[in-house]
Amino acid sequence: AQKVTQAQTEISVVEKEDVTLDCVYETRDTTYYLFWYKQPPSGELVFLIRRNSFDEQNEISGRYSWNFQKSTSSFNFTITASQVVDSAVYFCALSEVSGNTPLVFGKGTRLSVIA
Amino acid sequence: EADIYQTPRYLVIGTGKKITLECSQTMGHDKMYWYQQDPGMELHLIHYSYGVNSTEKGDLSSESTVSRIRTEHFPLTLESARPSHTSQYLCASSESGTYNSPLHFGNGTRLTVT
Repeated sequence: AQKVTQAQTEISVVEKEDVTLDCVYETRDTTYYLFWYKQPPSGELVFLIRRNSFDEQNEISGRYSWNFQKSTSSFNFTITASQVVDSAVYFCALSEVSGNTPLVFGKGTRLSVIA
Repeated sequence: EADIYQTPRYLVIGTGKKITLECSQTMGHDKMYWYQQDPGMELHLIHYSYGVNSTEKGDLSSESTVSRIRTEHFPLTLESARPSHTSQYLCASSESGTYNSPLHFGNGTRLTVT
C-alpha cells in the first residue's frame, strides 16, 4: 500500500533562514510519481513540482530545491532564504502507476516564516 | 493556469438542510475529485470520478453523494447536513491517461453547519 509521511507538523523560521521540509514515502511499485503542493492562507492548493521514480536528479527552481533519494524513500523540499510569502501548508504526495488509484497526500507541514 | 471553479466560497446552513456544492472545470479533464480538509490540515479523499457516469468513494466514509453527468461538472450533495460536516471542501481535476498528471484545485468551499 502506498503511504506518505510528513513528520514535521509545524515549522517556524525567521525570514532569510533556510528550511527543509521532509517527505518519506512507501510504495511497492517501481514506477511512481512524487509531488509537492503549496496551500497558502487563501486556501487553494498550488502544484509545485512532479518527479518520476526514474529521475533522481535534484531540481532547483529559484529559491526552491528538491532532493529525491530512492535509497531512503525520501523527497525533501528546501526553501533557501525564506520569505514571509513562503508561509503556507506544504503537502507531499505520491501517485503509483499500477492500481489506477488517486493521489495519496501526506498530512502536510505548516511553515511559518516570521519577519 | 487552472480553470476549476467552486461555488459557493462560503456557506453557513442549519442542521438537516440539503446542500449541493458545485464544481466545474473548463479544461476537459476526465478525472475529478472531492477532498475534505479538516482543521488539522489533512486532506481526505471522499469521492472521485474518472469520467462521465463513473463515480467512486474515497478513503473517508462520507454521507455525501456525487454525480458526473457532464465532463465539466462534478457536484457534491449532502442530503442532511450535520455539524460534523463543518469543514473545507476542495474539488480537483486532472488529465486522464497519465498517472503523473498533477491535480488542479479549486479555491474550496468552507462549509459551516450550525
